[in-house]
Amino acid sequence: SQTIHQWPATLVQPVGSPLSLECTVEGTSNPNLYWYRQAAGRGLQLLFYSVGIGQISSEVPQNLSASRPQDRQFILSSKKLLLSDSGFYLCAWSKKSNQPQHFGDGTRLSIL
Amino acid sequence: QQQVKQSPQSLIVQKGGISIINCAYENTAFDYFPWYQQFPGKGPALLIAIRPDVSEKKEGRFTISFNKSAKQFSLHIMDSQPGDSATYFCAAVVDDMRFGAGTRLTVKP
Repeated sequence: SQTIHQWPATLVQPVGSPLSLECTVEGTSNPNLYWYRQAAGRGLQLLFYSVGIGQISSEVPQNLSASRPQDRQFILSSKKLLLSDSGFYLCAWSKKSNQPQHFGDGTRLSIL
Repeated sequence: QQQVKQSPQSLIVQKGGISIINCAYENTAFDYFPWYQQFPGKGPALLIAIRPDVSEKKEGRFTISFNKSAKQFSLHIMDSQPGDSATYFCAAVVDDMRFGAGTRLTVKP
C-alpha cells in the first residue's frame, strides 16, 4: 500500500530564516505530487504541483519554491520566510491528475 | 476563481441526526467528485467519491447524492456521531482537483 510522509510535524522559525519541508511517497512510482497551504479554519490553497522529476508548476506567485529531486520526493523551500508564510502545509500525491489525491499529516509552520 | 461552492460554512447537529453538506460546481467537464474528512492537526482523508454517471453512492452512514443537471452534489451523514465532528471538503476533478471551502461539522452529544 502507498504511504506519504511529511516532516517535521511542527516548525517554529524566525522571520527571514530559510525553510525546507520534505515529503516522500512510498509504494508507488511516478506519482503526481502537490503542496497545499491551509490557513487556520480555511480551505486548501494549491501552491505547487509536479507530474515528474524536475517538473514544477506554480499556482500562485509567492515567497516559496518547490523542487522534485527524486521521483517520490517533493521539497518546499523558502530563502527568507515572511510572517504571512505561517500556516499548515500539506503534501499530497495522486496516480494521475484526474484521480483522487491522498494527503500527508501536514507541517504546522509558525513564523515569529 | 472558485469553481466549487460549498455550504454551509459550519453546521451543528445533534447526535443521531442527519448532517447535510452541499456543493455546486460550474465546469461541466468535471468527472469525479470526492469528499474529504479532516480532523484537527491532520491531513484530509478521502471519505467517499462519486462519478457523474450515478445519482447516489452509499458507504455505511455516508451517502453522496449527485444531480448532474443542477450541477450539485451533497454529502449526507446519517445517524451523526460526535466522532464525525470534523471539517469536510468537497472537490471536483477533471485535469486537476478543485476544492470547496470546507464545512466545519460539530455533532453534539
